[in-house]
Amino acid sequence: ETGVTQSPTHLIKTRGQQVTLRCSSQSGHNTVSWYQQALGQGPQFIFQYYREEENGRGNFPPRFSGLQFPNYSSELNVNALELDDSALYLCASSLSGGDTEAFFGQGTRLTVV
Amino acid sequence: AQSVTQLGSHVSVSEGALVLLRCNYSSSVPPYLFWYVQYPNQGLQLLLKYTSAATLVKGINGFEAEFKKSETSFHLTKPSAHMSDAAEYFCAVTPLRAGGGNKLTFGTGTQLKVEL
Repeated sequence: ETGVTQSPTHLIKTRGQQVTLRCSSQSGHNTVSWYQQALGQGPQFIFQYYREEENGRGNFPPRFSGLQFPNYSSELNVNALELDDSALYLCASSLSGGDTEAFFGQGTRLTVV
Repeated sequence: AQSVTQLGSHVSVSEGALVLLRCNYSSSVPPYLFWYVQYPNQGLQLLLKYTSAATLVKGINGFEAEFKKSETSFHLTKPSAHMSDAAEYFCAVTPLRAGGGNKLTFGTGTQLKVEL
């Protein structure tokens, strides 16, 4: 078991709404990354938080935002949902360092209708 | 920007046969390279990683991969496929950069099917 938990597991939202996804990182990990995995695609890097600060962002618009809390858990917020936001959202926690293993949660399946 | 290309979106092998999943990377300097496996409706699990130590990397479940700088490749192999190996496999790259954890760039994935 990886120790990374995400909630909720499934979610259905209407276009234009806002959504918050949550991630509890593995004990001792100070870095959380979020990925979007569309159906049949590889995961795409959204952003990363390191010690509560954003530490890199992929090619996603500002309506994708996040937070990391002092206990290193994290939230992903998406405003003004679009149909193309339907995807599996994966959270990964790790220690700092590019060679460290990222431990993934099981993901949140978001469907926008 | 760094990227990886996985050749073959679907690979089918017989149980007991060699598994070969191909990955080529694009980078001006050798990056860190990873192979992840994803079972249906689950997150990703690390199989193995290359971090500039030994070029032949052994991972879990009998998988291994060889880093070849001259070919910019990091192909994944397993001598004998098992039914339980059926899953989607992703090659990923992250830059050599200090500060924060890895920011992975994934390939498009290869779906491995194992037949009796």
